[in-house]
Amino acid sequence: KNEVEQSPQNLTAQEGEFITINCSYSVGISALHWLQQHPGGGIVSLFMLSSGKKKHGRLIATINIQEKHSSLHITASHPRDSAVYICAGEYGNKLVFGAGTILRVKS
Amino acid sequence: DTAVSQTPKYLVTQMGNDKSIKCEQNLGHDTMYWYKQDSKKFLKIMFSYNNKELIINETVPNRFSPKSPDKAHLNLHINSLELGDSAVYFCASSQDWVGGINIQYFGAGTRLSVL
Repeated sequence: KNEVEQSPQNLTAQEGEFITINCSYSVGISALHWLQQHPGGGIVSLFMLSSGKKKHGRLIATINIQEKHSSLHITASHPRDSAVYICAGEYGNKLVFGAGTILRVKS
Repeated sequence: DTAVSQTPKYLVTQMGNDKSIKCEQNLGHDTMYWYKQDSKKFLKIMFSYNNKELIINETVPNRFSPKSPDKAHLNLHINSLELGDSAVYFCASSQDWVGGINIQYFGAGTRLSVL
């Protein structure tokens, strides 16, 4: 069964804190996607990675193939980072999504 | 110009009605998708088309019928709407799917409420 699990489900942080969101998946993925859903509902792809690490601004995504685990890190968090962060495993030609992590960054 | 546009943004209708949601992408992508996001914000693939051909149909009731007149458009028609169809429906596109899915670009979503 293709499964993707995220933790934590909810996360509240103070502005400036370093944030980590975790994602674990079952065997067989060809890539791991991280997406951000804004409070207004729009969805944006943040990263797609199959090995190593990617960085974009204050966002860093890592993946450990052996441990079947990926993390999304946000450095120097800001209230505008408040959103739902979703990881998705790529199984064949479809994405299987985690349940999402609701992040709230307080000023 | 919006890369992936879907209309309408909101759709409120009665049970039993038939409705359509339209999606268009101007990115020149070959692959388009429909996703359903339930009340718990959980996303799930419904359909995927590559160059107008259906490649994924994920155990969706046959009341849902996707139509792709060309590779820039993927519309979703829903017959005999039920209360459980209430959700947010997202259209997305990606460059290709052969060899792996590329970065996906999402529309703004259509919030369907069935009364």
